[in-house]
Amino acid sequence: EAGVAQSPRYKIIEKRQSVAFWCNPISGHATLYWYQQILGQGPKLLIQFQNNGVVDDSQLPKDRFSAERLKGVDSTLKIQPAKLEDSAVYLCASSSYRDRESEQYFGPGTRLTVT
Amino acid sequence: AQKVTQAQTEISVVEKEDVTLDCVYETRDTTYYLFWYKQPPSGELVFLIRRNSFDEQNEISGRYSWNFQKSTSSFNFTITASQVVDSAVYFCALSDWNNFNKFYFGSGTKLNVKP
Repeated sequence: EAGVAQSPRYKIIEKRQSVAFWCNPISGHATLYWYQQILGQGPKLLIQFQNNGVVDDSQLPKDRFSAERLKGVDSTLKIQPAKLEDSAVYLCASSSYRDRESEQYFGPGTRLTVT
Repeated sequence: AQKVTQAQTEISVVEKEDVTLDCVYETRDTTYYLFWYKQPPSGELVFLIRRNSFDEQNEISGRYSWNFQKSTSSFNFTITASQVVDSAVYFCALSDWNNFNKFYFGSGTKLNVKP
């Protein structure tokens, strides 16, 4: 079974530029999560999708971050314009949500550096 | 509100020593799940174990063991005879089933195993 795929793995941009990250979850997983992980901290949930609907985006800086999961499969997270403090690893995870035991499976992450 | 606390920021041990990573959680739910993840230097979060709130039996898997105690709201992780390959950041997480399986992560404990 293929894992969660993310691209790109690394991205360096200048502040005020825009950037997009892509995630393809494990096949059949209804729930998709985007996390931001700043160096030395735990993952922070940015947005959570159930199929193609948003169920939690309370910590998403909506003035600059956006995300979509149009067909309930893969997803894109965008930052526009980027700030220095957006430098972090962006992790995508998916879960089957079939039962309470569903763990989240994580992709390799995208390391973003904003200069 | 759900919360996970990992008070140990960083631990250093010499190979073959035993080490315990602490995790304390807060929740008002009567049914919940706890997880441990490992994040090696490569960056991907790897699922290690899941435990539900009704099962307080300790679990052992090779050199890994977990001690779940509801009375103290703790879910501690012990590595016996540590190895250099165990060097990583370890995260404890609590899931909120009523919120589409949202995860609450601790801040992580960085384990350094020296040869």
